[in-house]
Amino acid sequence: QVQLVESGGGVVQPGRSLRLSCAASGFTLSTYAVHWVRQAPGKGLEWVAVISYDGSNEYYADSVMGRFTISRDNSKNTLYLQMNSVRAEDTAMYYCARALRHFDWSSPLDYWGQGTLVTVSS
Amino acid sequence: QSALTQPRSVSGSPGQSVTISCTGTSSDIGGYNSVSWYQQHPGKAPKLMIYDVTKRPSGVPDRFSGSKSGNTASLTISGLQAEDEADYYCCSYAGSYTYWLFGGGTKLTVL
Repeated sequence: QVQLVESGGGVVQPGRSLRLSCAASGFTLSTYAVHWVRQAPGKGLEWVAVISYDGSNEYYADSVMGRFTISRDNSKNTLYLQMNSVRAEDTAMYYCARALRHFDWSSPLDYWGQGTLVTVSS
Repeated sequence: QSALTQPRSVSGSPGQSVTISCTGTSSDIGGYNSVSWYQQHPGKAPKLMIYDVTKRPSGVPDRFSGSKSGNTASLTISGLQAEDEADYYCCSYAGSYTYWLFGGGTKLTVL
C-alpha cells in the first residue's frame, strides 16, 4: 500500500538549518509530484511547496520562498525539504503528500504521511 | 493571498445532515474545478474525502458529497455518524504564484 514516512524533525535554533526527508513506498515515486504541507500547533493546514515528478519544477509559498528548498531523489524514493534561516513561525508538523494524478503537479493531494514535528526555539 | 474562509465549527445529531462552506475568490475556487476536502482526526494525518469538487476517492462513503457555486464550495455529510467528528479542511488550486490554498478548518461535532 501507499506509504509516506517523514523524518528529520526536531528542535532547531532560530536562524539555523534543518533537512526533512520523506520516504515513499508502495508506488512509483518517479511518476508523481509531491508536496510539503505544514500545520502549526493547534492551527490549520498551510501549503509549503511542491516539486514535479521529475524535479524540473518547484513552487513555493511566499512564507518560505528563498529559505526552503524542495528536492527529490527518485532513485532513493525520497523527497526532501531543506529549511534554512528558520524562524519561530516555522514551528509546525510537516507533512509530505502525494499528488493524485501521474505527472500532474497541479492535481489534488491524496496520500499523506504522518508528519514530522519541527520546533524552532532557542 | 488569504486562506479560504470556513466556519470555525458546525454540529449535528447522528443521522442528520450538515454542510460546511468554503468561500474563496474568482482566483481560486471560482477559477478552477480543483476543490478538495480533507478530514483530520486529532493527532492524525489529513485524509482526502472529496477532490475535483465532487469526486470521491474509493473507500470514502457516499454520505460525503461536494459541490461548488461561484466562489463558494461546500461539503455535505448526510446520515451523520459519531466517527465523522473531526476537523475538515477545504483546499483549492489557485494558479501561478499562489498555487494551493487551504481553508482555516471547521470542527464538526456530532452531538
